[in-house]
Amino acid sequence: DSGVTQTPKHLITATGQRVTLRCSPRSGDLSVYWYQQSLDQGLQFLIQYYNGEERAKGNILERFSAQQFPDLHSELNLSSLELGDSVLYFCASSVGPTRGDYGYTFGSGTRLTVV
Amino acid sequence: GESVGLHLPTLSVQEGDNSIINCAYSNSASDYFIWYKQESGKGPQFIIDIRSNMDKRQGQRVTVLLNKTVKHLSLQIAATQPGDSAVYFCAETPRGQNFVFGPGTRLSVLP
Repeated sequence: DSGVTQTPKHLITATGQRVTLRCSPRSGDLSVYWYQQSLDQGLQFLIQYYNGEERAKGNILERFSAQQFPDLHSELNLSSLELGDSVLYFCASSVGPTRGDYGYTFGSGTRLTVV
Repeated sequence: GESVGLHLPTLSVQEGDNSIINCAYSNSASDYFIWYKQESGKGPQFIIDIRSNMDKRQGQRVTVLLNKTVKHLSLQIAATQPGDSAVYFCAETPRGQNFVFGPGTRLSVLP
């Protein structure tokens, strides 16, 4: 157990729907990062929050959004879902606002399937 | 478990042999590097790191080599075991910035 908790582990939904993925960072970590992982594109950075504020943005689609709450857990909202959104979504956490020693701690991911 | 990176480069090694996984990084300003291991159904997990003021660092059965001249990183695994079968990612970062992950290499250990 890495200490980063992601729920749910698997999610099946229909095209056009909206889903919310949840992440609780490791205790003491203030940064949360969201990544997509597809079979042919490795880990693609979506967005980072640090202590409740958006810190960095990657290739996140406009129909995706995220937030970090006062208790530091984060949610990634995916709307108007398309078949191509069917990939793995990982959350990671770290102590500080940027890289830290030993990098990021990853959760075990959420597998989204859009049918 | 979940399959990751079915289209990734694959390195197949015999159990007990040494493995060498390579990574070319892109940013000459990067000064901190990490190797991650991702087993099926799990998230990436830290293996070993190295800073740019070093060219070699050893852990338990793993060694990371850094060649800044050609922007190349390698991970050596000694006496490869079946439990080493996974996808391996390198990650680079300049100071003050976030990590950038490489595309990954699948290591397959043959009995």
